[in-house]
Amino acid sequence: EVQLLESGGGLVQPGGSLRLSCAASGFTFSSYAMSWVRQAPGKGLQWVSTISGTGGSTYYADSVKGRFTISRDNSKNTLYLQMNSLRDEDTAVYYCAKGFEVAVVTALEHWGQGTLVTVSS
Amino acid sequence: QSALTQPASVSGSPGQSITISCTGTSSDVGAYNYVSWYQHHPGKAPKLMLYEVSNRPSGVSNRFSGSKSGNTASLTISGLQAEDEADYYCNSYTTSNTVVFGGGTKLTVL
Repeated sequence: EVQLLESGGGLVQPGGSLRLSCAASGFTFSSYAMSWVRQAPGKGLQWVSTISGTGGSTYYADSVKGRFTISRDNSKNTLYLQMNSLRDEDTAVYYCAKGFEVAVVTALEHWGQGTLVTVSS
Repeated sequence: QSALTQPASVSGSPGQSITISCTGTSSDVGAYNYVSWYQHHPGKAPKLMLYEVSNRPSGVSNRFSGSKSGNTASLTISGLQAEDEADYYCNSYTTSNTVVFGGGTKLTVL
């Protein structure tokens, strides 16, 4: 059974940093691209970032480019999202999700339960 | 990276059918057959309902079906049930190797 467990969320001040983690199990982690998706309070789902199975290719939404960094440790079956220069508008539940292919995400087959990030002074 | 366009809300009575549209551009919906649909109950993880326009993952009811024409995709739910009440999001792979979501549609079962 595929399981994705996010952690690392919490309260952070504007301008601060936070690193999210997503522990994966139940599949060959390195064989699949992974993504982060967020949902701000009262808003819809927003794609944040994708990383290929090898970690060699990364993609970002314009709203986070230059501030967020996606990475993965295939030896630990763990996906990360380093978030710097956080803004109020980054407040959201952050989900990690598994794609169908190794190189890119064309659909999100499995999702974690999410971790809440609150940016506020 | 503009969001795909979905109606904000749709409603139907139990047993009826409803259709949710999802309109994009030639750079996303119209470019590939990589449109997917997600069901989201508040407080839970989103669930994949359809991928590659019309393919159902294992365990998803055949009451859910999808289609695409040009830059617009559609999700149809037949035989509406109370448990179908949720938010639904479309998603498309893009020519930039990214994905983009629709704004979401709230389905109310009357």
